[in-house]
Amino acid sequence: GAGVSQTPSNKVTEKGKYVELRCDPISGHTALYWYRQSLGQGPEFLIYFQGTGAADDSGLPNDRFFAVRPEGSVSTLKIQRTERGDSAVYLCASDFVGDIQYFGAGTRLSVL
Amino acid sequence: GQNIDQPTEMTATEGAIVQINCTYQTSGFNGLFWYQQHAGEAPTFLSYNVLDGLEEKGRFSSFLSRSKGYSYLLLKELQMKDSASYLCAVRAGDYKLSFGAGTTVTVRA
Repeated sequence: GAGVSQTPSNKVTEKGKYVELRCDPISGHTALYWYRQSLGQGPEFLIYFQGTGAADDSGLPNDRFFAVRPEGSVSTLKIQRTERGDSAVYLCASDFVGDIQYFGAGTRLSVL
Repeated sequence: GQNIDQPTEMTATEGAIVQINCTYQTSGFNGLFWYQQHAGEAPTFLSYNVLDGLEEKGRFSSFLSRSKGYSYLLLKELQMKDSASYLCAVRAGDYKLSFGAGTTVTVRA
């Protein structure tokens, strides 16, 4: 596609539920990143994929968070047993490693 | 980890110039990026510096001093559409970006 696409744009869920957030990167980009942005803050790194493998998942806050990229293109960020503190905008970016990262518009997650 | 500081807010008049400063402390520095983010939208790439000096792109310029851990973004001939948050980000190593909290610029008529 022309840009990084993220779905859904908004997700409202209840505490304790499971959610999946999807990212479709720019075609051909080998690297994919997930960031989380809280109100009034800059994006914070969560996880980085090179191809199908998670090369760095050091930013995932705990084991309720997991992400996959099974075919080296689309990625899904999965959050189990959501908590109110998980509410934020989840941003996805892609690039050729070492190049400029291009961001999607994000998924705004609200946990009630 | 990285420590990236930038002012929280700045206000300027349409047609004027605004300079947004960013200071950072990092190991393995491999580039400094500026992104623009309008409310509810994706961060959009503005500029990239990896060597010392000034990079100019139209109305936007960015400067880097690696020895001082300092960068600035200069916005000239401000327009109302330039009202947005401006994010300073540092890359350490090959990939990970660490962002400052962003500077909200308000352009007034």
